[in-house]
Amino acid sequence: SQKIEQNSEALNIQEGKTATLTCNYTNYSPAYLQWYRQDPGRGPVFLLLIRENEKEKRKERLKVTFDTTLKQSLFHITASQPADSATYLCALDAGFQKLVFGTGTRLLVSP
Amino acid sequence: GAVVSQHPSWVICKSGTSVKIECRSLDFQATTMFWYRQFPKQSLMLMATSNEGSKATYEQGVEKDKFLINHASLTLSTLTVTSAHPEDSSFYICSAPGLARSPYEQYFGPGTRLTVT
Repeated sequence: SQKIEQNSEALNIQEGKTATLTCNYTNYSPAYLQWYRQDPGRGPVFLLLIRENEKEKRKERLKVTFDTTLKQSLFHITASQPADSATYLCALDAGFQKLVFGTGTRLLVSP
Repeated sequence: GAVVSQHPSWVICKSGTSVKIECRSLDFQATTMFWYRQFPKQSLMLMATSNEGSKATYEQGVEKDKFLINHASLTLSTLTVTSAHPEDSSFYICSAPGLARSPYEQYFGPGTRLTVT
């Protein structure tokens, strides 16, 4: 069956460090993968999209990698700040612009 | 940027009643919108695709007669939860695909918290 897995436990890091979140998937062949941020009681906010033929994408302090052989994406936040504390969701293309979301990883950045 | 709104932001209703949730694209037109449901500490589950001017398409396991979707205009989709039960209590979120320059990016509404008593 199809599965998208993210670290279910919260990730606690110190301000200024790099946070690395993982997204693994099975039985999918997505043309692209996206990362979203979700704050409590709010809808997700788009962060980055990476296509299957791209290895890495950057946007300011964010970096995403995509390894279609390993079926894995890594999401990095460098120089993390307390304001980065949120749940981060990876989402895979399911055709016709539909998205299938992972379970999300909660990130807590301590001052 | 593209903005999607939802109304109401929260609603409490009695078991057996129906509730309508609106999803609007404020500064762009959306021929397609998506409806998701999110239970506490779980991820978003796609319920259905709302298509302007035609019938919605539902994901497997979602009852189309219970979750009525109407996409009457290019900026409005509505989800009606009919004969709501406590197990329908959830966070309902809509989204619309991005603009032409980034069609795969989704813009999400702020969500509607439904509590059925």
